[in-house]
Amino acid sequence: SQQGEEDPQALSIQEGENATMNCSYKTSINNLQWYRQNSGRGLVHLILIRSNEREKHSGRLRVTLDTSKKSSSLLITASRAADTASYFCALANAGGTSYGKLTFGQGTILTVHP
Amino acid sequence: KAGVTQTPRYLIKTRGQQVTLSCSPISGHRSVSWYQQTPGQGLQFLFEYFSETQRNKGNFPGRFSGRQFSNSRSEMNVSTLELGDSALYLCASSRRATPLDTDTQYFGPGTRLTVL
Repeated sequence: SQQGEEDPQALSIQEGENATMNCSYKTSINNLQWYRQNSGRGLVHLILIRSNEREKHSGRLRVTLDTSKKSSSLLITASRAADTASYFCALANAGGTSYGKLTFGQGTILTVHP
Repeated sequence: KAGVTQTPRYLIKTRGQQVTLSCSPISGHRSVSWYQQTPGQGLQFLFEYFSETQRNKGNFPGRFSGRQFSNSRSEMNVSTLELGDSALYLCASSRRATPLDTDTQYFGPGTRLTVL
């Protein structure tokens, strides 16, 4: 399957704790992107990591990519109640007819309790 | 810079009708992609347009079609609506998209379509 598989499906934590979400995939990718979605609204882009990169940071977000294991992880540090959302990994597959197509995982539902 | 806008935000139709959804990309973005999101199937790619040309299409029946205008605005049309077409339809724009690289996609708020 080209789809990313995310783990866990749901995560419940307290404010201030760290949250880690994982994404595994089976195909070759050009890049992997992480998005956040609040309550069935539009997706907000978080981070894009290219296949030749191993780690990227953006504020409280840290993304790692291990192409040998075909996996990525998103770490949110010092979580806040406002981080409550669904988080998706999206694959930009290599080559072929990949124009403008991202293949999304099923997402991780993160709940941060105040 | 204004974000991606989609109209209408909510739509209720009955089976057999057709519907047209509109998407205005971020200024300067020439690639527009459309996605369908349902609880059962998740986010699925519909098609992508660049410079008024459809360059990529997902696994959806021919009832789903789209087009892009010279100002990069895009529309998608669904004919002969079925109950299963009820979904959140999202469009996303990016500066470019090539087979070698898909740039960051910026999503609109979506159109919630309900088919009765």
